[in-house]
Amino acid sequence: DGGITQSPKYLFRKEGQNVTLSCEQNLNHDAMYWYRQDPGQGLRLIYYSQIVNDFQKGDIAEGYSVSREKKESFPLTVTSAQKNPTAFYLCASSLGTGGTEAFFGQGTRLTVV
Amino acid sequence: GESVGLHLPTLSVQEGDNSIINCAYSNSASDYFIWYKQESGKGPQFIIDIRSNMDKRQGQRVTVLLNKTVKHLSLQIAATQPGDSAVYFCAENIHQTGANNLFFGTGTRLTVIP
Repeated sequence: DGGITQSPKYLFRKEGQNVTLSCEQNLNHDAMYWYRQDPGQGLRLIYYSQIVNDFQKGDIAEGYSVSREKKESFPLTVTSAQKNPTAFYLCASSLGTGGTEAFFGQGTRLTVV
Repeated sequence: GESVGLHLPTLSVQEGDNSIINCAYSNSASDYFIWYKQESGKGPQFIIDIRSNMDKRQGQRVTVLLNKTVKHLSLQIAATQPGDSAVYFCAENIHQTGANNLFFGTGTRLTVIP
């Protein structure tokens, strides 16, 4: 079955550590996105990538980094520079041509301990 | 109704009643809109979409209305069921340099009372 998979579902990080969230899709989508969701809030765009080996900052990119070495994969690293990393992180993909829906993964809940 | 930047509004309805969830979008150049449903701890799921050359679109038990004059979008759910309880987001497709990105509203929490 085609879909988009995020792992892990839950992640705990100590302060000062970098962590990487995985996102894989087998939908043959060109575009991939990372969003952050805080309780009672909407989705805010962190980074997006329209094609392999290219990505752009979204509205809240500070403290995050990404890579897009393969079409299927768009990992997000939450660095120690992110001062408030506890949140629900959602990855999505789309055809990228505009006017098409984005498909979401099931999310990763990151907690700083 | 919801709008970007506001805290999560809530809507409670009796089972069997119709629900109307509203959304004010920001960019008059947006040409495509989507409604998503998000259940607790899960990713958003597509419900229905509409393009800017339409003012109404119907699906199974759901209808989306688009008023471009006042930049307003609504989602109507007929005969609301307990399984409809979730947070509903509207999203607008905004063309940016080299990209088409979806921007989401804050969401509305719908609670269905049995």
